[in-house]
Parts: sequence; C-alpha cells; structure tokens
Amino acid sequence: AQSVTQPDIHITVSEGASLELRCNYSYGATPYLFWYVQSPGQGLQLLLKYFSGDTLVQGIKGFEAEFKRSQSSFNLRKPSVHWSDAAEYFCAVGGGYQKVTFGIGTKLQVIP
Amino acid sequence: GAVVSQHPSRVICKSGTSVKIECRSLDFQATTMFWYRQFPKKSLMLMATSNEGSKATYEQGVEKDKFLINHASLTLSTLTVTSAHPEDSSFYICSARPLAVSYNEQFFGPGTRLTVL
Repeated sequence: AQSVTQPDIHITVSEGASLELRCNYSYGATPYLFWYVQSPGQGLQLLLKYFSGDTLVQGIKGFEAEFKRSQSSFNLRKPSVHWSDAAEYFCAVGGGYQKVTFGIGTKLQVIP
Repeated sequence: GAVVSQHPSRVICKSGTSVKIECRSLDFQATTMFWYRQFPKKSLMLMATSNEGSKATYEQGVEKDKFLINHASLTLSTLTVTSAHPEDSSFYICSARPLAVSYNEQFFGPGTRLTVL
C-alpha cells in the first residue's frame, strides 16, 4: 500500500532563512509526487509535481523539490522564506489513475 | 486555468437535515472528481471517487447512504450529507482531474466548512 510520511508536524523558521520540508513515500512503482500548500480555511494549491525526468523540480513561489529514489524522499526546499509562506504543506504520492495519498501535513510558521 | 469552485463555502445546519455541496470545474471538463474530508490537524481523507455518469466509488468506512454523490455532468459533482449530525461537521474539499490528462493530477476546490448544530 502506498503511504506518505511527513516527519515534521510543525516547523518554525525566521523570515529570510532557508527551508526544507521532509517527505518520505512508499510506493510500489514509479511514483507521481506532489507538494500542495493550504492556507487556513482554504483548499489546496499545487506547488510542484514530479512524474519523470529531471529529479530537481521547480515550482511556483520559489519552491523546489528533489526526488531521491534511493531514499524514497521528495523534500521541498526554498532558499529564503517569506512571511506569506506560512501555511500547511502536504506531500502526496500517486500514480497514473491510482488514488493519491496525502501526508499528514507540515505546518510552517514564519517569525520576523 | 484549471479552476474548481465549491458552493457553499460555509454552511451551518441543524441536526437531522440534509446538506448539498456542489463542486464545479469552471474551465475544464473532468470525468473524475474526488471528495475529501479534512479533520482538524489531520490530512485529507479520500471519501469517494466520482466518475461522470456512473456510481461513485466509496472508500472503506465511508457510508454511501449518508454521503450521496452525484456526478451528472463533466463539470459538476455534488455531495449530499443526509441526516447530518454534529460528528459530520468537518471541512469538505473536492478536486477534479481534467479529462485531457493521463495522470492523477487533481485541482482542488476551496473547500466547504460544514457545521452541524
């Protein structure tokens, strides 16, 4: 069965600092990987996705993620965090037309 | 592009009543729509997968008679919570997969906050 682990439930970073949100997945075939962001009371917005090709994926809002098959990881990074990045971030895995499974989410707090 | 709307965004109802939530893909056709439920401090739990013109597929543990799903067109799916009770209070989010894509990329609606008194 496919699964996603986001080991950090809550992360606090200073504005301007770099950010890395961890995601590990379990999937039996080539995974389709996603990162979504959710602001309070809102739906999910897709930040980036990986299907194949270059393992470093660029997304919106300055985010990037790197797919590492050997580590079953798809960590999200941003070199300099802005206060507006405070939100909840969800990693997800799926494939083709199969169900997408979401991680539990990481809540990001940004301090001045 | 790829905008999904939900209506209403917020609803409060009395226990025992039924509530209908609409999910629309505004600028694309979607053969498949998904309904999720999100509990506080929890991830999204898939409730059901709805395919246009056919019966929805419910996840294990989801009561199909309680959560009625209809996907009557390529741009509209509805979730009806029947005989709602306080434990049904939650944030319900729909998503839609475009007709043209060959992978499971979903576009999400803004969600509906249901409060049952």
